[in-house]
Amino acid sequence: KQEVTQIPAALSVPEGENLVLNCSFTDSAIYNLQWFRQDPGKGLTSLLLIQSSQREQTSGRLNASLDKSSGRSTLYIAASQPGDSATYLCAPLGGNNAGNMLTFGGGTRLMVKP
Amino acid sequence: DTAVSQTPKYLVTQMGNDKSIKCEQNLGHDTMYWYKQDSKKFLKIMFSYNNKELIINETVPNRFSPKSPDKAHLNLHINSLELGDSAVYFCASSPLGNEQYFGPGTRLTVT
Repeated sequence: KQEVTQIPAALSVPEGENLVLNCSFTDSAIYNLQWFRQDPGKGLTSLLLIQSSQREQTSGRLNASLDKSSGRSTLYIAASQPGDSATYLCAPLGGNNAGNMLTFGGGTRLMVKP
Repeated sequence: DTAVSQTPKYLVTQMGNDKSIKCEQNLGHDTMYWYKQDSKKFLKIMFSYNNKELIINETVPNRFSPKSPDKAHLNLHINSLELGDSAVYFCASSPLGNEQYFGPGTRLTVT
């Protein structure tokens, strides 16, 4: 059964810092991995999708990497802004017994202070 | 234009009642999903439909019955509601095996 862990669980940084959010998963037989953002009381916004054959994906100030064999992904946020404050969720798709399911980590709650 | 929409946004009801949540997507995707986010914010898959056929059912009590009248809709009906059903329910859609897009969620409170 796929299990996903995100570290740290919470992070508070001053505006302008570069930061890294970590995600690890136990079953490396995944199809892809998605990073989402969730604002309080809101739905999930897809940030980046990395296919299993890719090593990284970039969108603006966000860069996500994937090391499938070691079961790790990182989300790098450059020059953080207060508007980046949210919970970030990592979700690999698939695994040997996970079919077409997304399995979510517990998330990292990010606070960027002005 | 809303890609994945859910109604209602909030639902407050008493134990024992039966309720439905509706989901519609206008993205042309083949696959739709229901997820539950509990009070500790953990998100977990409940069901997945591909082309109106059930492909994932993650040991959800049979009080929960999804129905997909067509590829663009996946509704969730819940019988005999219990206190533990209180959660936020999210609908999502995707091309099979690809990027998933989520709706805004339905906050269900059972009293």
